[in-house]
Amino acid sequence: DQQVKQNSPSLSVQEGRISILNCDYTNSMFDYFLWYKKYPAEGPTFLISISSIKDKNEDGRFTVFLNKSAKHLSLHIVPSQPGDSAVYFCAATRGDFGNEKLTFGTGTRLTIIP
Amino acid sequence: DAGVIQSPRHEVTEMGQEVTLRCKPISGHDYLFWYRQTMMRGLELLIYFNNNVPIDDSGMPEDRFSAKMPNASFSTLKIQPSEPRDSAVYFCASSFRDRVYEQYFGPGTRLTVT
Repeated sequence: DQQVKQNSPSLSVQEGRISILNCDYTNSMFDYFLWYKKYPAEGPTFLISISSIKDKNEDGRFTVFLNKSAKHLSLHIVPSQPGDSAVYFCAATRGDFGNEKLTFGTGTRLTIIP
Repeated sequence: DAGVIQSPRHEVTEMGQEVTLRCKPISGHDYLFWYRQTMMRGLELLIYFNNNVPIDDSGMPEDRFSAKMPNASFSTLKIQPSEPRDSAVYFCASSFRDRVYEQYFGPGTRLTVT
């Protein structure tokens, strides 16, 4: 049973426009969320995170929004650049002491069109 | 600084053979994680260690899978006997205790079992 779902396997966006990647979760115990980015033939790299006490976290061109009532989070990239073309994984966890496990989604492949 | 190192990068083997995947975490990191990536299930946590001690192996699919961490700088994931359904990309990741969710991934080992 997928507790973290990324329902869009792929997304294409024009360079300079906004990219919006979506993620849904089913486990109401999750309270900390992360996005990872993965280039071909490389491992994922941490991008940005958000705690459930916030509804928004921003880091440069990247902003993550969390809607706890809808169990939904999204990653916004503005403006999109060719180097943003990658697979993006959403991850979630219970951020309590003694729990170090991340549950990942299946990923969304983002292609930025020049 | 070198990142997480995994070997081999690619492994092709026949069904029934033993496969050993290797990982060297980033020096000073407290946690080591083994993940498996497939198209259908995304990134799945198999097992993780804290200070060389296995903490949670509930993600290990079967008794055919085993993992060890004999010291802080080395870990192995062994599959014996291997089956075609084990074909996937296997990632090793490591992290510091106080930022356990911000994990540094190796480049992965692509395993093909024929």
